[in-house]
Amino acid sequence: NAGVTQTPKFQVLKTGQSMTLQCAQDMNHEYMSWYRQDPGMGLRLIHYSVGAGITDQGEVPNGYNVSRSTTEDFPLRLLSAAPSQTSVYFCASSPTDRGYTFGSGTRLTVV
Amino acid sequence: QQPVQSPQAVILREGEDAVINCSSSKALYSVHWYRQKHGEAPVFLMILLKGGEQKGHDKISASFNEKKQQSSLYLTASQLSYSGTYFCGTSGGSYIPTFGRGTSLIVHP
Repeated sequence: NAGVTQTPKFQVLKTGQSMTLQCAQDMNHEYMSWYRQDPGMGLRLIHYSVGAGITDQGEVPNGYNVSRSTTEDFPLRLLSAAPSQTSVYFCASSPTDRGYTFGSGTRLTVV
Repeated sequence: QQPVQSPQAVILREGEDAVINCSSSKALYSVHWYRQKHGEAPVFLMILLKGGEQKGHDKISASFNEKKQQSSLYLTASQLSYSGTYFCGTSGGSYIPTFGRGTSLIVHP
């Protein structure tokens, strides 16, 4: 039982490049979310999903896209990377009324 | 809108108690509490649902006052392992939490 798996762990992008952060969970959780963590800002919700085929925007969705074609996978796409997107990204999943299990994070630097 | 946590930081000696508060400007359905150690992912502590309940295990407990839109996390007889940043997450009608900025807790021997 791997839990929530995020890849890659580290990534450096040039401004304007696009990339996809991968997230997969093997716990059959319905709810999945993406957060970004910046110093002093806590965890801010980017996008979330309450089931396969259903996604919605969080607090800071601009510049990011998501899709949820299966229960297991919830990739986050950066459309055109900007230095302001330098952050640590966490994917998390939950079986509705329980707490969230977080992945180990992706540290992204945009230069 | 992010919930507001207070205090921003707490420094304790082993065995002392601490309270971390979380308040929201909107009606709450659930409150989550997590602890994050430096360089690691947040770890779930507990969730409190609408109904004004109190939960706890071992020496960490929490209360939820939905009328005041507030929750508090109580750490009793703190241990070195309690050090980290504590986050509360609140939701208004679903189980999708919006997190506060965190409270840094440092426990000294």
